[in-house]
Amino acid sequence: SQKIEQNSEALNIQEGKTATLTCNYTNYSPAYLQWYRQDPGRGPVFLLLIRENEKEKRKERLKVTFDTTLKQSLFHITASQPADSATYLCALGDTDKLIFGTGTRLQVFP
Amino acid sequence: DGGITQSPKYLFRKEGQNVTLSCEQNLNHDAMYWYRQDPGQGLRLIYYSQIVNDFQKGDIAEGYSVSREKKESFPLTVTSAQKNPTAFYLCASSLIATNEKLFFGSGTQLSVL
Repeated sequence: SQKIEQNSEALNIQEGKTATLTCNYTNYSPAYLQWYRQDPGRGPVFLLLIRENEKEKRKERLKVTFDTTLKQSLFHITASQPADSATYLCALGDTDKLIFGTGTRLQVFP
Repeated sequence: DGGITQSPKYLFRKEGQNVTLSCEQNLNHDAMYWYRQDPGQGLRLIYYSQIVNDFQKGDIAEGYSVSREKKESFPLTVTSAQKNPTAFYLCASSLIATNEKLFFGSGTQLSVL
């Protein structure tokens, strides 16, 4: 069955550094991959979508890469700020299904 | 401001009781979804609707029911048949039913008394 792995341990980094989160998957060839941000007690917020034929996508301080050979996506936040502290979810999908990872909690400290 | 509104924020269910969670959107989106979130698990799909008056079961539909009588509304009923209902319930919508770029509500935390 399809499986998504995100680092369950929290990632703690210092303000101003680049945060890198990883999403690995197996037994699936998704048409696209999405990243969402979720704050405690709130619903996820869509951040970025990257398609299988795209290698990299950027939005302001965010960058996503998608390696279909390694079956891995990397999510980068450059010049991180305490306000970036949240849980980040990756989701793999196509028109028939969308599978969410368990998320990685990011803590940016001053 | 366009968005998705879920209510109530917190809900308590007694044994044998059915409860209904509300979800309303004013984004003019065709597709709507209900997910369940449990600690340490990814979001799991309960039901989804691609168009008014049509809906399909997701991965964990047992013990739940939905209706889609209006484009804006997609209420979820948690029936007494759902033996483990305690969870954070999230409603979402998307412009069309491609599972892309979901807009989520702020969620309803359901607990059992």
